[in-house]
Amino acid sequence: DAKTTQPNSMESNEEEPVHLPCNHSTISGTDYIHWYRQLPSQGPEYVIHGLTSNVNNRMASLAIAEDRKSSTLILHRATLRDAAVYYCILPPPFNSGGSNYKLTFGKGTLLTVNP
Amino acid sequence: EAGVAQSPRYKIIEKRQSVAFWCNPISGHATLYWYQQILGQGPKLLIQFQNNGVVDDSQLPKDRFSAERLKGVDSTLKIQPAKLEDSAVYLCASSLLTGWNYGYTFGSGTRLTVV
Repeated sequence: DAKTTQPNSMESNEEEPVHLPCNHSTISGTDYIHWYRQLPSQGPEYVIHGLTSNVNNRMASLAIAEDRKSSTLILHRATLRDAAVYYCILPPPFNSGGSNYKLTFGKGTLLTVNP
Repeated sequence: EAGVAQSPRYKIIEKRQSVAFWCNPISGHATLYWYQQILGQGPKLLIQFQNNGVVDDSQLPKDRFSAERLKGVDSTLKIQPAKLEDSAVYLCASSLLTGWNYGYTFGSGTRLTVV
């Protein structure tokens, strides 16, 4: 899997926007960018993914740099419930057999949200 | 839809004892994964099943860990004998084998403490 670099921790205030960065300078043209988060005492959960264009869903937005060497997960209004470890992952391109369909997690970014 | 079910939620055993964890994936999900998450680290893949066959067990310590997925549905992960360094959260995840859309769904995990 292509390597990603994330800050170890970030801090935010409630109801303010949060921008979580991820560097992936060795990304290939077919690598999707996935974000998962892990709330305390829970398994990771899917947040968002994208390839080239910016993506929005009900949880977050994903802004992808034009050269695709970095991306930013945007939480528009952080809540206390958003305090979690956020993982930026570049899984291998999906093959027809599915044998490489797996996620490799780094240490992620620990987001603290202050009331 | 129901999520990925895991049991037990917590387990404390003495070193050299054996332990088993159970996982029931989301109905219809062909692929099942077991991850080990040591405190302060991201989850590490132990084994991947596609239906009832093993796709990848390269990081499974086979001298003490074993896993099976009977009939391509439920799965069990066993450790025998346990070591202190096996203390971790064991996460089960499942996915539809249709590509990277929506990715994995994780269970809440089993927290194992070996004393």
